[in-house]
Amino acid sequence: GENVEQHPSTLSVQEGDSAVIKCTYSDSASNYFPWYKQELGKRPQLIIDIRSNVGEKKDQRIAVTLNKTAKHFSLHITETQPEDSAVYFCAAPYSGGGADGLTFGKGTHLIIQP
Amino acid sequence: KAGVTQTPRYLIKTRGQQVTLSCSPISGHRSVSWYQQTPGQGLQFLFEYFSETQRNKGNFPGRFSGRQFSNSRSEMNVSTLELGDSALYLCASGRGQETQYFGPGTRLLVL
Repeated sequence: GENVEQHPSTLSVQEGDSAVIKCTYSDSASNYFPWYKQELGKRPQLIIDIRSNVGEKKDQRIAVTLNKTAKHFSLHITETQPEDSAVYFCAAPYSGGGADGLTFGKGTHLIIQP
Repeated sequence: KAGVTQTPRYLIKTRGQQVTLSCSPISGHRSVSWYQQTPGQGLQFLFEYFSETQRNKGNFPGRFSGRQFSNSRSEMNVSTLELGDSALYLCASGRGQETQYFGPGTRLLVL
């Protein structure tokens, strides 16, 4: 199955600054890349996703970029706020696409410092 | 529209027992995936069902099995429980086009 690497494992930023989380994947057939946010004791929540036919997607303060040649994608959060504190997971299709089921990165614990 | 629901929410079992967990997807969703979440291994894919057929399977032993019913509800079963099976078990539903929405999970503790 697919292999997803995520960095950093912990990221601490000042409130109002930007945060960037990076992921790489191994299967060149993968064509769908979601990002999930998980707050303590809660379920993972889909915050944004991107498909391989676009290079960037934005939703208010959140953006995702995809570089298919290099097989990496990144999450960008601008103007961070205290409620952005959570664990963020990137993912890619477990078997390269065509069926649901995701391989997740190990997660990034984002800490927003007041 | 109601979200993904899972029952039970908490479960305590002893080694050697078996357990069955249930997942009801969002109305209209035909795909259900199951994941195991632990502090050490993170979120790991177990299997995925679409229209009652297993389409995809992760790297877990045969003690882990699942099924899906005609109404898209899904169950997963773990037989001969081991201490290492203690985890949060999450299911996610979708339309079969990869976008998935998670349920609240079932927290299993094996003693």
